[in-house]
Amino acid sequence: DAKTTQPTSMDCAEGRAANLPCNHSTISGNEYVYWYRQIHSQGPQYIIHGLKNNETNEMASLIITEDRKSSTLILPHATLRDTAVYYCIVRADNYGQNFVFGPGTRLSVLP
Amino acid sequence: EPEVTQTPSHQVTQMGQEVILRCVPISNHLYFYWYRQILGQKVEFLVSFYNNEISEKSEIFDDQFSVERPDGSNFTLKIRSTKLEDSAMYFCASGRLAGAQETQYFGPGTRLLVL
Repeated sequence: DAKTTQPTSMDCAEGRAANLPCNHSTISGNEYVYWYRQIHSQGPQYIIHGLKNNETNEMASLIITEDRKSSTLILPHATLRDTAVYYCIVRADNYGQNFVFGPGTRLSVLP
Repeated sequence: EPEVTQTPSHQVTQMGQEVILRCVPISNHLYFYWYRQILGQKVEFLVSFYNNEISEKSEIFDDQFSVERPDGSNFTLKIRSTKLEDSAMYFCASGRLAGAQETQYFGPGTRLLVL
């Protein structure tokens, strides 16, 4: 089972920041936090990942709390094309470790 | 930017028939994966493959399933005798290395419909 909990759905106004929370209270020291998204039935798209430091790339920012029990994905200026299901996944450093997807958060960006 | 590609995009087959789903992973990647997603459900791991052998598989990946890397570029998933419940999106993924810090990149998927 997934080791994360996320809200089922969220809305965000176009042009505003979308802040997607994720709880992973049982995360272990060697587990990374990953975010993927899935638009319609397309393949999951990698967004960002981190271990304990905040991370930023061209798509998003990832804020991880100091105790690592939760994190927030920030899309700084959401567009209609960001409407998707967003998955927060924790992943251990084991050989060939697969991703365990939960139900994710369905983000609707509204005009 | 390199991408994982999959063919066909859609496949319709009769129950009991064999299907082969094809994937071309990103060229310098060494680890390959298949996942599936039944309509309206979660993405589920099927199998991982490295160095020409299965490294991990889920309980979904029973004797009806097999994987192969027939040449230096393709990675295939074969379902020997399809069942109605095999209808799903099948996603191939690849990664450069194993380890939690290594990202997996997913293909666009093959939609399999078993009638």
